[in-house]
Amino acid sequence: QKEVEQDPGPLSVPEGAIVSLNCTYSNSAFQYFMWYRQYSRKGPELLMYTYSSGNKEDGRFTAQVDKSSKYISLFIRDSQPSDSATYLCAMSAYGNEKLTFGTGTRLTIIP
Amino acid sequence: EADIYQTPRYLVIGTGKKITLECSQTMGHDKMYWYQQDPGMELHLIHYSYGVNSTEKGDLSSESTVSRIRTEHFPLTLESARPSHTSQYLCASCPRDRDSNGYTFGSGTRLTVV
Repeated sequence: QKEVEQDPGPLSVPEGAIVSLNCTYSNSAFQYFMWYRQYSRKGPELLMYTYSSGNKEDGRFTAQVDKSSKYISLFIRDSQPSDSATYLCAMSAYGNEKLTFGTGTRLTIIP
Repeated sequence: EADIYQTPRYLVIGTGKKITLECSQTMGHDKMYWYQQDPGMELHLIHYSYGVNSTEKGDLSSESTVSRIRTEHFPLTLESARPSHTSQYLCASCPRDRDSNGYTFGSGTRLTVV
């Protein structure tokens, strides 16, 4: 079983919808959580970063961590066609530990 | 503006050729990583380095080799390219002890071996 599970999609939603992307993990030591966005033929770019449990909001994006359920989410409000990309979750237990990535979810926003 | 650069962006090369994929960063990061990513697939770590003259193999077995003679430079070499090496190769970096803050990725090199 993989340490981090992420539904690969693809996920297609109409413009303006609220999008929910999720990852589950098995390692209870993970406490640093990240979301990356990767456009086609580009490298991943860091979108959101959270530590431990709770919510973090940045514009239309909200990252949520539930350590008791070992579940993290990324919400995108008022989705735009420019949000069409692959979204990868990543996490680590310690500051100096290599990141463990999910497989990525491919998202398409339909105008 | 990206502070980590990969060249070439695209490369089509014949079987048996030796190739070097370049990766340079201007951020003074100690840690650098090479990932392999096939379309629609997850990132696979193939090499990493925690500083000059330090290199390690990653989770995915790879026939490639790397070197780290300078902090800013982390090239990846394939001595004899094969069609099975066709993939996207991504380079990333982060400061020492700061993996938890996330990596900065380059734009990648898409390699096709024919």
